[in-house]
Amino acid sequence: DADVTQTPRNRITKTGKRIMLECSQTKGHDRMYWYRQDPGLGLRLIYYSFDVKDINKGEISDGYSVSRQAQAKFSLSLESAIPNQTALYFCATSDTGPAYNEQFFGPGTRLTVL
Amino acid sequence: GIQVEQSPPDLILQEGANSTLRCNFSDSVNNLQWFHQNPWGQLINLFYIPSGTKQNGRLSATTVATERYSLLYISSSQTTDSGVYFCAVINYGGSQGNLIFGKGTKLSVKP
Repeated sequence: DADVTQTPRNRITKTGKRIMLECSQTKGHDRMYWYRQDPGLGLRLIYYSFDVKDINKGEISDGYSVSRQAQAKFSLSLESAIPNQTALYFCATSDTGPAYNEQFFGPGTRLTVL
Repeated sequence: GIQVEQSPPDLILQEGANSTLRCNFSDSVNNLQWFHQNPWGQLINLFYIPSGTKQNGRLSATTVATERYSLLYISSSQTTDSGVYFCAVINYGGSQGNLIFGKGTKLSVKP
């Protein structure tokens, strides 16, 4: 079984709709991240959480919100989706401390906003 | 913030050829990872290599932290090696603990 899972894997929605992307992990890591990838580019950070009570904005957080329901679950919401949020979304996890900061990624969610 | 530059941006190889991908970064790093993004979009961890040399089968990587670059070597390339290779770094002094990605090297291996 995959260590980091994302649901749904693909989603098509319409402008103005609210949508939630979910991430679960079985690695026992405290740190979780949401990244976004646009065509032809690397990934950029949307939000990150270093533990259940610690949530922080990343580089491109406008238009997004998150919820850390448990150590293993981190959800990303688009309150009112717009076409330029069409992208590939990745969840990632890492262990605690600078000596254990390798990040592991989920399979991605391909989101299309019409 | 830290800048990550990868070269070449595109690379076309014949099956069986060897290649070297380069990653330059503008500041000291606490973490450096190489990823392969396959044609289905999945990111596969290749190496966690903030310094030194590692090998895994036909792939190896070297990071020279003092000179701020990393190299990924692919030997005897196969068509399944096609995709985009990303280098990503963390600099705790200048980031939020997130990886800063380069724009990638797109590799196409022809049969």
